[in-house]
Amino acid sequence: AQSVTQPDIHITVSEGASLELRCNYSYGATPYLFWYVQSPGQGLQLLLKYFSGDTLVQGIKGFEAEFKRSQSSFNLRKPSVHWSDAAEYFCAVDPFTSGTYKYIFGTGTRLKVLA
Amino acid sequence: NAGVTQTPKFQVLKTGQSMTLQCAQDMNHEYMSWYRQDPGMGLRLIHYSVGAGITDQGEVPNGYNVSRSTTEDFPLRLLSAAPSQTSVYFCASSYSSQRGGTSYEQYFGPGTRLTVT
Repeated sequence: AQSVTQPDIHITVSEGASLELRCNYSYGATPYLFWYVQSPGQGLQLLLKYFSGDTLVQGIKGFEAEFKRSQSSFNLRKPSVHWSDAAEYFCAVDPFTSGTYKYIFGTGTRLKVLA
Repeated sequence: NAGVTQTPKFQVLKTGQSMTLQCAQDMNHEYMSWYRQDPGMGLRLIHYSVGAGITDQGEVPNGYNVSRSTTEDFPLRLLSAAPSQTSVYFCASSYSSQRGGTSYEQYFGPGTRLTVT
């Protein structure tokens, strides 16, 4: 079955430390890939997206993600975490690259940042 | 632009009651959708619409109805609320992929937290 896996439910890092959030998908072809962030009590905000081309994509708030076809992964990274990055992060895929918007979301990773 | 707006922010219903969750967008987006968010399950697509007068089911449509009479509005109706519908509901919108043959970012509203007792 098609699925998106975020293996880490919770991650805690110290402010200033680096961060990597994992995302794996299982689809036959390369889907469109997204990372969203949800701050407490808020809606979802797009951090970055990958459709094609350069496999390292830059997003807002200093985040980047790397698409690795061989590993079916799209991991999110940030070199130095700020306290304001504490939030829940969702990986999502649009498995039909014609853009049907039937996103499949991962279960999310909740990030806690220690001062 | 206000973006995607949802009302109400919070709602408590008794089992069997009906209600409509409102969603509106002012970005002239063709595509609109409804998701529900449950702990440990991420977001799941309930219904979506690719334009006025056109709707279709997503992954978890049972117990919900939608209609799209205008480009701007996409209400979600619960005809007979059940405790299993306790959730946070998000509306999203986007340009149609038909515009450029690619996918566009979905913009999400702030959500409606619904509790059914």
